[in-house]
Amino acid sequence: DQQVKQNSPSLSVQEGRISILNCDYTNSMFDYFLWYKKYPAEGPTFLISISSIKDKNEDGRFTVFLNKSAKHLSLHIVPSQPGDSAVYFCAASGGNQFYFGTGTSLTVIP
Amino acid sequence: DAGVTQSPTHLIKTRGQQVTLRCSPKSGHDTVSWYQQALGQGPQFIFQYYEEEERQRGNFPDRFSGHQFPNYSSELNVNALLLGDSALYLCASSLREKLFFGSGTQLSVL
Repeated sequence: DQQVKQNSPSLSVQEGRISILNCDYTNSMFDYFLWYKKYPAEGPTFLISISSIKDKNEDGRFTVFLNKSAKHLSLHIVPSQPGDSAVYFCAASGGNQFYFGTGTSLTVIP
Repeated sequence: DAGVTQSPTHLIKTRGQQVTLRCSPKSGHDTVSWYQQALGQGPQFIFQYYEEEERQRGNFPDRFSGHQFPNYSSELNVNALLLGDSALYLCASSLREKLFFGSGTQLSVL
């Protein structure tokens, strides 16, 4: 039972344009959401997070939006850079356990 | 400040064998979680240790066991290995909400 879903396995974007990665969840008890970035042969690296009391959190080029009624969150990267090419995982938590999506592979084309 | 370190980085075992993976958490972190990441999937929660006790467990059989030491480092043990146990095993340490991951141990079961 996949409680966190990333329905787009891959995404290609031109350098300088916006990348939008999407994530859906099913459990309304989740109250904390995170995005991780993963390069090959490395562990996931924390990128940005948002609490359920907010609907937006921004950190430099990265912004996460949360729509609780739709149980949907998205990560916007503006402007996209070739170094952003990686696999992005969204994760959700309602306590001690984190649930991860299956990831979206982002390719930023120079 | 060292991050989360895991050893070994790669391991090859045969079916039926037992394996022990090791993790040292980030300095100041007292909670260690273990995740299994199969190819093309997101990390799946195995269990979490806090104050040397298993605090929460995911949907994994008893063949998967762990331990946390007084210095907060941790071990993951897997008995009676199956081919399906081949995966990247990630250790994550945390202080409050964020998880910080190590680079993982790639386990191949032949």
